[in-house]
Amino acid sequence: DVVMTQTPVSLSVSLGGQTSISCRSSQSLVHSDGNTYLYWYLQKPGQSPQLLIYKVSNRFSGVPDRFSGSGSGTDFTLKISRVEPEDLGVYYCYQGTHYPPTFGAGTKLELK
Amino acid sequence: EVQLVESGGGLVQPGRSLKLSCAASGFTFSNYGMAWVCQAPTKGLEWVASISTGGGNTYYRDSVKGRFTISRDNAKNTLYLQMDSLRSEDTATYYCARHYYDGYSFDYWGQGVMVTVSS
Repeated sequence: DVVMTQTPVSLSVSLGGQTSISCRSSQSLVHSDGNTYLYWYLQKPGQSPQLLIYKVSNRFSGVPDRFSGSGSGTDFTLKISRVEPEDLGVYYCYQGTHYPPTFGAGTKLELK
Repeated sequence: EVQLVESGGGLVQPGRSLKLSCAASGFTFSNYGMAWVCQAPTKGLEWVASISTGGGNTYYRDSVKGRFTISRDNAKNTLYLQMDSLRSEDTATYYCARHYYDGYSFDYWGQGVMVTVSS
């Protein structure tokens, strides 16, 4: 299975600040069709996960532009700027390129 | 508004069975692949199984192959997960999720239902 390694495990950030989360895959996530099926999810406390970013860098419907994704191959980054209280929770990267699809272990974003 | 509402969870003994349901509304259910994703207590997320729009194609993670069966009833807008020969390591919250249009991820999730396997 493709291992998705997220760093750091946890982050403390000030409201209004900026931060980033790294996700590294054990294999290239470039699919044979040319797409890279790398996604980012946020799971707020007590809630189910919600899709933030699809295919590396595309914001899902309703996701503010404070969230941005980048990367290629095996290295990916989620950046969050102007952090707001509703951004707190656990962020997961996820790959759908290889079977079985796999998630990273998560990065917990907390307030400083 | 897309809504996915799971039911059927609970406490079950090892080796027994349980059937989860997920009632979908707010979208044309038959147009979307669907999936189950689980999360063990204080752990991360793990894909369990997926099913195609018509139900003809199903996919499972290795640890549940031969024990779990995903199915759907498009007339009832409902997704199912039949869980047989349950093990303690199956203990988790199970989320019903709609496959994103690209088929490779999930865009909407239910609130989850807890399954506890214990004697």
